[in-house]
Amino acid sequence: QITLKESGPTLVKPTETLTLTCTFSGFSLRTTDVGVGWIRQPPGKALEWLALIYWDGDKRYSPSLQTRLTITRDTSKNQVVLTVTNVDPVDTATYYCALGMEIPPGATGVFDYWGQGTLVTVSS
Amino acid sequence: EIVLTQSPDFQSVTPKEKVTITCRASQSIGSRLHWYQQRPDQSPKLVIKYASQSISGVPSRFSGSGSGTDFTLTINSLEAEDAATYYCHQSSSKPGTFGQGTKVEIK
Repeated sequence: QITLKESGPTLVKPTETLTLTCTFSGFSLRTTDVGVGWIRQPPGKALEWLALIYWDGDKRYSPSLQTRLTITRDTSKNQVVLTVTNVDPVDTATYYCALGMEIPPGATGVFDYWGQGTLVTVSS
Repeated sequence: EIVLTQSPDFQSVTPKEKVTITCRASQSIGSRLHWYQQRPDQSPKLVIKYASQSISGVPSRFSGSGSGTDFTLTINSLEAEDAATYYCHQSSSKPGTFGQGTKVEIK
């Protein structure tokens, strides 16, 4: 059974760094063509693609947020971590991690499984 | 960055009616277009991948079509449990992008 679960702070102050962890089970991030991504959704708004880390360690970021995002993995712990620096109230959102099981070379892949999401509020 | 535009933004539909949602890409994406259903207070769930591929466990009333820049999600004979917001997502380019969503309400 494949599961993903996001964890992290529920409240962060403006200018601080947000660190979110995705802990997964039922698959390995060492498996060829697998990737784990982060997507966020401000309250009442649409989904926004943030970042993706591939089975081989390659990474992709949203161009508009690239300077503030870092995605890393710990394959021994089955975790993927997203950091967002210098947060602002507009970063208030539910943050999801999601699994892509067959990501073709040169593409970003479909998200087959999603976590339950974690709501992060940025406020002083 | 590829922009996806969905229409309509909102649709109010009677049970058993057919629903059609379209997604237009700002440039050709082949068949790398996927559809997700997001029920209120739930995470998104994949319902169609690669434009027309069905997903195990998803009711057969959900179908998809299209290629290039124009895509359609069809829900035949709508049921109450289908009330949700539907998003298209393209995986052709880096980064991936999502449409703005289409909310389907049951009358």
